[in-house]
Amino acid sequence: AQSVTQPDIHITVSEGASLELRCNYSYGATPYLFWYVQSPGQGLQLLLKYFSGDTLVQGIKGFEAEFKRSQSSFNLRKPSVHWSDAAEYFCAVGTGNTGKLIFGQGTTLQVKP
Amino acid sequence: ETGVTQTPRHLVMGMTNKKSLKCEQHLGHNAMYWYKQSAKKPLELMFVYNFKEQTENNSVPSRFSPECPNSSHLFLHLHTLQPEDSALYLCASRLGQDSRRDGYTFGSGTRLTVV
Repeated sequence: AQSVTQPDIHITVSEGASLELRCNYSYGATPYLFWYVQSPGQGLQLLLKYFSGDTLVQGIKGFEAEFKRSQSSFNLRKPSVHWSDAAEYFCAVGTGNTGKLIFGQGTTLQVKP
Repeated sequence: ETGVTQTPRHLVMGMTNKKSLKCEQHLGHNAMYWYKQSAKKPLELMFVYNFKEQTENNSVPSRFSPECPNSSHLFLHLHTLQPEDSALYLCASRLGQDSRRDGYTFGSGTRLTVV
């Protein structure tokens, strides 16, 4: 069965430090992969997506993610975190004929001043 | 503003009340989705509509009744809810149900509290 795992429920980083959020997926075919961010009390905003081509994709707000087929991973990175990046981050994979999204359980990012 | 508008933003209702959540988009999308987001739980897909037709119902209790009169509007009618139904209800849309390369566009959600 298709699934998405975000191993870290909660991560705390200092402002200005680098960030990597992990995402592992289970899906037999070529996956369509997405990262979303959710600020408190808000809906989910699309950060970036991957479906083919260059395995390093750039997104909004200075985020990037790298698709590694051999590791079934799609980790999200940012070189220098800002306090405004504190939020919950969701990884998702598009599955089946319709590409219906299955979401991971989310990672809460806290940024220390 | 994402282009998907949900109203109301907050709703408190008693267990015997009837209320409705509304979702509206003018993005030209034809697929619309209802999700439930509870604290400490993954996003739960409730319903999927494609060109106004329901294509998926994930065993949602009948006290939740969706309605999609056209591709731009989606409602979730609520009646005799339970306290465990308190959650953030998110609406999302996509160009088409089969638009695999597109992510969903989400609204800001309705925070529902059942008392």
